[in-house]
Amino acid sequence: GAGVSQSPRYKVAKRGQDVALRCDPISGHVSLFWYQQALGQGPEFLTYFQNEAQLDKSGLPSDRFFAERPEGSVSTLKIQRTQQEDSAVYLCASSLPSPNTEAFFGQGTRLTVV
Amino acid sequence: AQSVAQPEDQVNVAEGNPLTVKCTYSVSGNPYLFWYVQYPNRGLQFLLKYITGDNLVKGSYGFEAEFNKSQTSFHLKKPSALVSDSALYFCAVREPGSNYQLIWGAGTKLIIKP
Repeated sequence: GAGVSQSPRYKVAKRGQDVALRCDPISGHVSLFWYQQALGQGPEFLTYFQNEAQLDKSGLPSDRFFAERPEGSVSTLKIQRTQQEDSAVYLCASSLPSPNTEAFFGQGTRLTVV
Repeated sequence: AQSVAQPEDQVNVAEGNPLTVKCTYSVSGNPYLFWYVQYPNRGLQFLLKYITGDNLVKGSYGFEAEFNKSQTSFHLKKPSALVSDSALYFCAVREPGSNYQLIWGAGTKLIIKP
């Protein structure tokens, strides 16, 4: 597609519910990132994939968070047993695997845990 | 420790006046520098980047930024502000030697008044 696509745009989950957030990156983009963004704050790094390999998951806040990219394209961020503190916007970005290239972001998924 | 500072939480400018959004960084070596803009309920959009060469880089929507190595700054500028420029602006830095990790500033809210 023309840009990074994320779905759903909005998700309301009851506390304790599992959620899955989808990211469809720009075709041909090897690198894929997940970020968490609180209202009015900068993005906080969660995890990074190069193709299907998850090279860095140091930003995942707990073992309830899990990300995968099995075929090196679409990625899913899963949050198990959601808590209120998980409420945030989850941003996905993709880029070419070169350090001087910019990342392209999706519109994000706003997760509200009630 | 590596860091990016955006010293102003908010910048107010009258339409038609020049604007500056400040960014300073503390990163070893010669980093790659980026500016992104975020409109309400949207993902981040790439504006411009500095990799090497001319210290003044031009980007989207009439924005430009000046890299100053001695002051470790990368301020975003525009000669004549538009009301539609009102948004949240983020500065980000990538360390040389890293092909993915970005260090983000906290963001500056730019308000352009008619």
